[in-house]
Amino acid sequence: DVLMTQTPVSLPVSLGGQVSISCRSSQSLVHSDGNTYLHWYLQKPGQSPQLLIYRVSNRFSGVPDRFSGSGSGTDFTLKISRVEPEDLGVYYCLQSTHFPYTFGAGTKLELK
Amino acid sequence: VQLVESGGGLVQPGKSLKLSCSASGFTFSSYGMHWIRQAPGKGLDWVAYISSSSGTVYADAVKGRFTISRDNAKNTLYLQLNSLKSEDTAIYYCARRAHNLDYWGQGVMVTVSS
Repeated sequence: DVLMTQTPVSLPVSLGGQVSISCRSSQSLVHSDGNTYLHWYLQKPGQSPQLLIYRVSNRFSGVPDRFSGSGSGTDFTLKISRVEPEDLGVYYCLQSTHFPYTFGAGTKLELK
Repeated sequence: VQLVESGGGLVQPGKSLKLSCSASGFTFSSYGMHWIRQAPGKGLDWVAYISSSSGTVYADAVKGRFTISRDNAKNTLYLQLNSLKSEDTAIYYCARRAHNLDYWGQGVMVTVSS
């Protein structure tokens, strides 16, 4: 199985600040079709996960441009700029290149 | 797009349960669908996938015990859970789309306990 190592576990932030979350995979996430299926989700308390970024760097419908994704191969990053209160929660990366699909353990974004 | 799970509840170890995910707002038959679960206070675990042509893939932890299926005429995804164990206790989510799991349901709680 592909191991997704997500860091940090906890990320204190001030409103208006900028943060980065890292996700590293134990093997390349480049699919045989040429796509890299690495996605980022936010789970707010009591809610289901919501898609933020798909295929490394594509913002999902309605996601503000404060969120950006980058990376390639096995090393990926989610950046959030100008953090707002509605950004708080747990962030997960997901690889869907190889079965079984696997998630990172999560990063809790919280106020300092 | 709307996905609504149902069928959860409290069940004894070794018993069975069948979850449903009712889909609306899109052409259900055209999309692969997933089940993902989240144990209380824990992270997300992928459980199973069914393609638009009904091919299936399972996580090792549930292979041979869980069965994913779909009824395109009813726009409904199912997960049959057999031989349940305490470690199957979780919120179960259905999600749309083969690779970019884009829309998720609100989840349904399954508690396995005597």
